Amino acid sequence: DGGITQSPKYLFRKEGQNVTLSCEQNLNHDAMYWYRQDPGQGLRLIYYSQIVNDFQKGDIAEGYSVSREKKESFPLTVTSAQKNPTAFYLCASSMGLAGGRIYNEQFFGPGTRLTVL
Amino acid sequence: QKEVEQDPGPLSVPEGAIVSLNCTYSNSAFQYFMWYRQYSRKGPELLMYTYSSGNKEDGRFTAQVDKSSKYISLFIRDSQPSDSATYLCATGGGSNYKLTFGKGTLLTVNP
Repeated sequence: DGGITQSPKYLFRKEGQNVTLSCEQNLNHDAMYWYRQDPGQGLRLIYYSQIVNDFQKGDIAEGYSVSREKKESFPLTVTSAQKNPTAFYLCASSMGLAGGRIYNEQFFGPGTRLTVL
Repeated sequence: QKEVEQDPGPLSVPEGAIVSLNCTYSNSAFQYFMWYRQYSRKGPELLMYTYSSGNKEDGRFTAQVDKSSKYISLFIRDSQPSDSATYLCATGGGSNYKLTFGKGTLLTVNP
């Protein structure tokens, strides 16, 4: 069954702690993305990776870090430097460049809801 | 000016109505246009994908792109209560893979 999985579904964190959100895909996609969704704010891009071992900051990267050591995995760490981390976090992937065309349709995981206590 | 503008609604219609959802965008380099449906507390699901101007139909859904006016639309015919969700438009283009999303329109279809 192809798709994107995110874990955990719900996550609670105490202030001052770092937490890591998992994102795995078995779609053989080159590109992966992390978004944050807050009520009334839409989707805001945190980080994205177009290929293994490479990633770029999105619009709101401060207080977050990522790694892309494997094609299928793109974990996101929410650090204690992130001032307001309570949000719904969404991971997505897209095929990327294939046959001379960019396939940028993004497919999303089910999301992780992070709450800071 | 924001890159993608979308009326947040909320939009409430009776079952069976035709629904029109719209977005405008500012970047003329955008070539790819998508609509996503997001149910409450779930990840967005890709509904429609269009490249450049024109119409695309899939069942009760029609996506329309007018690049001359930088306007994209999603029409839902014979709307059903199960269509109640937030609808997000998204656009992209150029050499990077990023998409720019609208903030979403909350639709409720009443039985």
